[in-house]
Amino acid sequence: EAQVTQNPRYLITVTGKKLTVTCSQNMNHEYMSWYRQDPGLGLRQIYYSMNVEVTDKGDVPEGYKVSRKEKRNFPLILESPSPNQTSLYFCASSPIPGSSSYNEQFFGPGTRLTVL
Amino acid sequence: ELKVEQNPLFLSMQEGKNYTIYCNYSTTSDRLYWYRQDPGKSLESLFVLLSNGAVKQEGRLMASLDTKARLSTLHITAAVHDLSATYFCAAPLNYGGSQGNLIFGKGTKLSVKP
Repeated sequence: EAQVTQNPRYLITVTGKKLTVTCSQNMNHEYMSWYRQDPGLGLRQIYYSMNVEVTDKGDVPEGYKVSRKEKRNFPLILESPSPNQTSLYFCASSPIPGSSSYNEQFFGPGTRLTVL
Repeated sequence: ELKVEQNPLFLSMQEGKNYTIYCNYSTTSDRLYWYRQDPGKSLESLFVLLSNGAVKQEGRLMASLDTKARLSTLHITAAVHDLSATYFCAAPLNYGGSQGNLIFGKGTKLSVKP
């Protein structure tokens, strides 16, 4: 089944304790992205990657890191989480448009993170 | 800077009624996407509109795209409770979408009441 998976789905942690949220897709997509969703603010992009070893900042990158060592995986790293990073996080992937594809993004199930 | 604006942001409807959600975007784009999100769930792709004049229908939902007016609409016909959700539109950051990024509207929270 074509899908984007994220782990963990729920996480409660404390300020300053490093954590990683994993994201994996099995559709051979070049493009992957992380978003956070907060009430009243909609979806905001954190980081994105257009291919292996190519990453770039989105709208709200502060406090986050990413890496893209393999095409299928795009982990989100919070080196020192703070309470303002409490949010619902989504990973998404899409093909880069070519003659026969278009950049419809497929979303993972989400990770609800609480930082105390 | 591309901006995507939806209205209304909140919509309370009675079952059986019709209504339209509007999505305006600020720069030239040749395509537009609609997503649905149920509470606490992920975003699910509803429609992909790839050209001016594109119209797609799925059940009681119909989406259209007017690239000249920079406007997409999501029309709801004879609403039922199962359509209660938040609906997002999204436009590619660059024309043709080759860069990959989508800019999302803030979403329209639809509540259908008996």
